[in-house]
Amino acid sequence: QVQLKESGPGLVAPSQSLSITCTVSGFSLTSYDISWIRQPPGKGLEWLGVIWTGGGTNYNSAFMSRLSISKDNSKSQVFLKMNSLQTDDTAIYYCVREGTGALFAYWGQGTLVTVSA
Amino acid sequence: DIKMTQSPSSMYASLGERVTITCKASQDINSYLSWFQQKPGKSPKTLIYRANRLVDGVPSRFSGSGSGQDYSLTISSLEYEDMGIYYCLQYDEFPRTFGGGTKLEIK
Repeated sequence: QVQLKESGPGLVAPSQSLSITCTVSGFSLTSYDISWIRQPPGKGLEWLGVIWTGGGTNYNSAFMSRLSISKDNSKSQVFLKMNSLQTDDTAIYYCVREGTGALFAYWGQGTLVTVSA
Repeated sequence: DIKMTQSPSSMYASLGERVTITCKASQDINSYLSWFQQKPGKSPKTLIYRANRLVDGVPSRFSGSGSGQDYSLTISSLEYEDMGIYYCLQYDEFPRTFGGGTKLEIK
């Protein structure tokens, strides 16, 4: 079955960078686009960006200068990297499979990233 | 960016009551709208896509409607398990943007 699982560092110091890996199973990254969405604790959802099947990307302009999304199709992994983290980047980060019908039909469980000294 | 204004931000409703949540986009989004339900500690779950299409397995008491800038999610007869936070999402244009959420609690 379709599964996505995020793995991240848990804690990041201010001004440092964040790297999260999304490992997928039950489908191929050559067939489905993957978005990243985050949710600060107790707050709403924010779309960060998408990586398409062909490897192209589209980023939320609010993060474009410090966000990078890449993938390794052979390892079924998608990578999010964000630079210059601040405390308001504390959030649960989700990877989400896009679909042709329901856009965000499959979500990972999310990984909580806390930015703190 | 397209702004999604969702209302109400929170509400109480009784079991069996009809509940409606609305979302207004800052411009026409051509029915590229989804509704999600999120329960505490869980990832969001898609209920509705393309404004009015029910995802397989979602109870038929949920329905979506609307066009242009104005959309709504209706629960025809509220059940206890429907407690949670509901979000709308527009995916007509990048960046995709969510409404602020509606917290639905049982009275």
